[in-house]
Amino acid sequence: DAKTTQPPSMDCAEGRAANLPCNHSTISGNEYVYWYRQIHSQGPQYIIHGLKNNETNEMASLIITEDRKSSTLILPHATLRDTAVYYCIVRPNQAGTALIFGKGTTLSVSS
Amino acid sequence: GAVVSQHPSWVICKSGTSVKIECRSLDFQATTMFWYRQFPKQSLMLMATSNEGSKATYEQGVEKDKFLINHASLTLSTLTVTSAHPEDSSFYICSAREGRETQYFGPGTRLLVL
Repeated sequence: DAKTTQPPSMDCAEGRAANLPCNHSTISGNEYVYWYRQIHSQGPQYIIHGLKNNETNEMASLIITEDRKSSTLILPHATLRDTAVYYCIVRPNQAGTALIFGKGTTLSVSS
Repeated sequence: GAVVSQHPSWVICKSGTSVKIECRSLDFQATTMFWYRQFPKQSLMLMATSNEGSKATYEQGVEKDKFLINHASLTLSTLTVTSAHPEDSSFYICSAREGRETQYFGPGTRLLVL
């Protein structure tokens, strides 16, 4: 699986947009970009995923560069409850394959 | 999203005893289930992958005789930690996936071995 690189930590003011970057320069053509987050002492929560087009859902937006070597997760209006570790993971969309977690980005949202 | 439950949410046991953790997919058929563990201030580490009705595939360094995994149905997988020792104390998280669909995670089980 391709590896990803994320900044270890980021800060964001409540109500502002949080933009979390991820580098995945060795991504293969059949690998999707997934984003999960883990709030302290809980299991990871699915946020969004995409292949090459930008994606948006009720939680966030995912912007993938045209060359697919990097992506950005956007939380449009961060709240205190968005404080968590955010993981960017690339994986083929094949049955039976597991998500492999890196160290992620710790996002701290403050008032 | 789909719901995955785990039971118990936390357990304390004596060294040498066995502990069973259940993982259920509540509203979808989990053709594949995964078990992870997480030590304090670390990321999740994949322990094993199991497909319904098949033997689990363990990651390198994970003892299959110590961590017994059973995936007997499309909605239930169990992880049994046999002869638990203090170093097995950790946060165990299961995850489930239906085919090529999104992988969902349970809330985790915190195990403390005294």
